Amino acid sequence: NAGVTQTPKFQVLKTGQSMTLQCAQDMNHNSMYWYRQDPGMGLRLIYYSASEGTTDKGEVPNGYNVSRLNKREFSLRLESAAPSQTSVYFCASTSQTGRNTEAFFGQGTRLTVV
Amino acid sequence: SQQGEEDPQALSIQEGENATMNCSYKTSINNLQWYRQNSGRGLVHLILIRSNEREKHSGRLRVTLDTSKKSSSLLITASRAADTASYFCATDLRGTYKYIFGTGTRLKVLA
Repeated sequence: NAGVTQTPKFQVLKTGQSMTLQCAQDMNHNSMYWYRQDPGMGLRLIYYSASEGTTDKGEVPNGYNVSRLNKREFSLRLESAAPSQTSVYFCASTSQTGRNTEAFFGQGTRLTVV
Repeated sequence: SQQGEEDPQALSIQEGENATMNCSYKTSINNLQWYRQNSGRGLVHLILIRSNEREKHSGRLRVTLDTSKKSSSLLITASRAADTASYFCATDLRGTYKYIFGTGTRLKVLA
């Protein structure tokens, strides 16, 4: 199984450009998450989707939008990129069946906004 | 500020020594999990402890949870150079589906 797959792995954007980060999981998980990680820091939750058809804000949602396209896919969109959004973005998923389950992470997307 | 605060921020030990890192959190949880991250790569799940558990072991890992103090500790025994990584706690917040991460401890094990 591929697990959690993120695309692209690297991206450079100019200030004001838009882009969508894609995430797909093949584990039939209900819940999916987007995090950002700045250098030397922990992960901060941007948005999450507890189940197909629902999305909610996390700790740092400003400047981002998300779409839970189906059970497998959860995308993150930057409408007008800013240098402050330079970061590594991680997608994660968890089954949430009965709670108390681990989260599985993608390998990250390294985004630079110039 | 983040839900989870970890200390120390950085830890440097000799191979064979034990490493202890601590995590404190702010709100009620369903469980607390520890993850390892090698050099900016993805996170790998290490161990999960439920809110009604006090201690859990997995190989060289020992995790404790004190819900009255809202704190947890991760002990890595007989450390190896390959344990060099950043370690993060994550809390599954009660009443939500949020997983919130701590600030992390950077562990360096010297051969």
